[in-house]
Amino acid sequence: KNQVEQSPQSLIILEGKNCTLQCNYTVSPFSNLRWYKQDTGRGPVSLTIMTFSENTKSNGRYTATLDADTKQSSLHITASQLSDSASYICVVQTTGGGNKLTFGTGTQLKVEL
Amino acid sequence: DVKVTQSSRYLVKRTGEKVFLECVQDMDHENMFWYRQDPGLGLRLIYFSYDVKMKEKGDIPEGYSVSREKKERFSLILESASTNQTSMYLCASRLRDFMNTEAFFGQGTRLTVV
Repeated sequence: KNQVEQSPQSLIILEGKNCTLQCNYTVSPFSNLRWYKQDTGRGPVSLTIMTFSENTKSNGRYTATLDADTKQSSLHITASQLSDSASYICVVQTTGGGNKLTFGTGTQLKVEL
Repeated sequence: DVKVTQSSRYLVKRTGEKVFLECVQDMDHENMFWYRQDPGLGLRLIYFSYDVKMKEKGDIPEGYSVSREKKERFSLILESASTNQTSMYLCASRLRDFMNTEAFFGQGTRLTVV
């Protein structure tokens, strides 16, 4: 069964600190892996998309890594800001079955003063 | 900027009512999707459409139907709303090339069925 698991489930950090969120997946065949940011009560917004051949991708203070061999990804947030408080969702797309997206349940990040 | 607009942010409906959730996108995307999002479960695909008048069932289509009469508009219909359909509903769209194209989401509709 295709699955995407994220850890931790929730995280609280102080403003200015760095953090790393984890994503493990069993989706096969693999097409790409996406990270989304979802503010409370809003729709998800894309941060990065990585294909099999990419092992790192940055978007400002967000850096995603991908290890397709171990089927793991991480999202690193540098110098966190209060506006980073959100749910971060890992999504894996398969090439089979209609190019379906499989969503993780998200990591809820809270950045405090 | 791509815009995916859902007609309502919040809805409260009674059990048994017929409910329409509307979604409009302005980027001429072929593919449109309806998901529901519940705590601890992530986003689950209800229905999707890859062209006008075309529809495909997702993972949880029971109790729902959809309509796509125009390319830019994709409607989700709850034929007879039930309390277990209380959820956050998200519409998304993307280009026909499924593989690595961006999926853009609407702001969501929080539906409460009482």
